[in-house]
Amino acid sequence: NAGVTQTPKFRVLKTGQSMTLLCAQDMNHEYMYWYRQDPGMGLRLIHYSVGEGTTAKGEVPDGYNVSRLKKQNFLLGLESAAPSQTSVYFCASTAYYRLQRGGQPQHFGDGTRLSIL
Amino acid sequence: AQKVTQAQTEISVVEKEDVTLDCVYETRDTTYYLFWYKQPPSGELVFLIRRNSFDEQNEISGRYSWNFQKSTSSFNFTITASQVVDSAVYFCALLYNNNDMRFGAGTRLTVKP
Repeated sequence: NAGVTQTPKFRVLKTGQSMTLLCAQDMNHEYMYWYRQDPGMGLRLIHYSVGEGTTAKGEVPDGYNVSRLKKQNFLLGLESAAPSQTSVYFCASTAYYRLQRGGQPQHFGDGTRLSIL
Repeated sequence: AQKVTQAQTEISVVEKEDVTLDCVYETRDTTYYLFWYKQPPSGELVFLIRRNSFDEQNEISGRYSWNFQKSTSSFNFTITASQVVDSAVYFCALLYNNNDMRFGAGTRLTVKP
């Protein structure tokens, strides 16, 4: 059972470089999320998507872009990497739910450790 | 504003002790969900429990129990007879507005043998 797969697992970039993080899920989930985790701050939501072709900003969206061209994939892009974006990035997905009947937990990938020099 | 506060940054206990991790949340929504996740040293996030705002029943799962009190906006997590394998960072999280999620800063629990 693959679940949520993040690629790559580690990456070192130089300031100003660009890169794309890939998140793939095989659970047919509608909702997908990108978070960053920094020491002492827990996880913060960057962007999320409620379906193919739709994305929305989360708590800390600046400096990132996302795309959801296929239901199973959610891409996170850094156009011009900055040292402040050094972090561990987590992708998550969840099935559509009805509020009155209970929320579904998010399934997380194993994370991508990104260092920007 | 939507916010989750885990006031305990680090807790250290000796094996077999009981320990309670505190979580206080803020939200204006009447419908929301609360979660607890565990992050062991290996780094992955493990779902433990969810609660919706309409269900204030406490829950017990083995050595784990959760106390949800809307009156105090708290969703506390107790581990009974702690074990070394319980050592991890524990996150409380609030899901509101259908999609937006807020995590607390986490509590690092160390259980010593």
